Amino acid sequence: DVKVTQSSRYLVKRTGEKVFLECVQDMDHENMFWYRQDPGLGLRLIYFSYDVKMKEKGDIPEGYSVSREKKERFSLILESASTNQTSMYLCASSLGGSRNEQYFGPGTRLTVT
Amino acid sequence: GENVEQHPSTLSVQEGDSAVIKCTYSDSASNYFPWYKQELGKGPQLIIDIRSNVGEKKDQRIAVTLNKTAKHFSLHITETQPEDSAVYFCAAPVEKLQFGAGTQVVVTP
Repeated sequence: DVKVTQSSRYLVKRTGEKVFLECVQDMDHENMFWYRQDPGLGLRLIYFSYDVKMKEKGDIPEGYSVSREKKERFSLILESASTNQTSMYLCASSLGGSRNEQYFGPGTRLTVT
Repeated sequence: GENVEQHPSTLSVQEGDSAVIKCTYSDSASNYFPWYKQELGKGPQLIIDIRSNVGEKKDQRIAVTLNKTAKHFSLHITETQPEDSAVYFCAAPVEKLQFGAGTQVVVTP
């Protein structure tokens, strides 16, 4: 079974802090994704990566950056956390492009105070 | 996402009844339509998908239908059970995969 793990289930940070969310997948997938999930808005794509050191902006990249130094690991970085970044963050991976199954991690509930 | 609309946002059904969730999409070039189920405390998981060369696909109690002319597709769950209670998301590729806003399904005994 594909396993996607995220470093934390719950995280509380203060406004202005730098926040790192880590995601690791164990199935050698090329593609990795970061989404945020908010009630009534579904899943919105922040960034995705289709190869090591490659990244593409999603629909809502403002205030975020990403890093993919190794194929299995994709990090989401909030350079200076703000309260409007309080959300559920989901990482996913897939073997191919947007027409292939995405495997999701359990999510990180981030609260910025 | 704005390119994929999903209705209803909440759906309450009696155990044993059927549930239907509908999605519409805007990009006529879309050709892959997955449905994901998210249980409490978990990430979404693919439950069924359909590609545009077929109009219907079934897997036990769940089915998806696609109307490419009208640009909408639906998830049908028959004989609902308490374990069907979850949030369901449709999606369609618009360059990248766009997800609907989700439907909270509650199956009451």
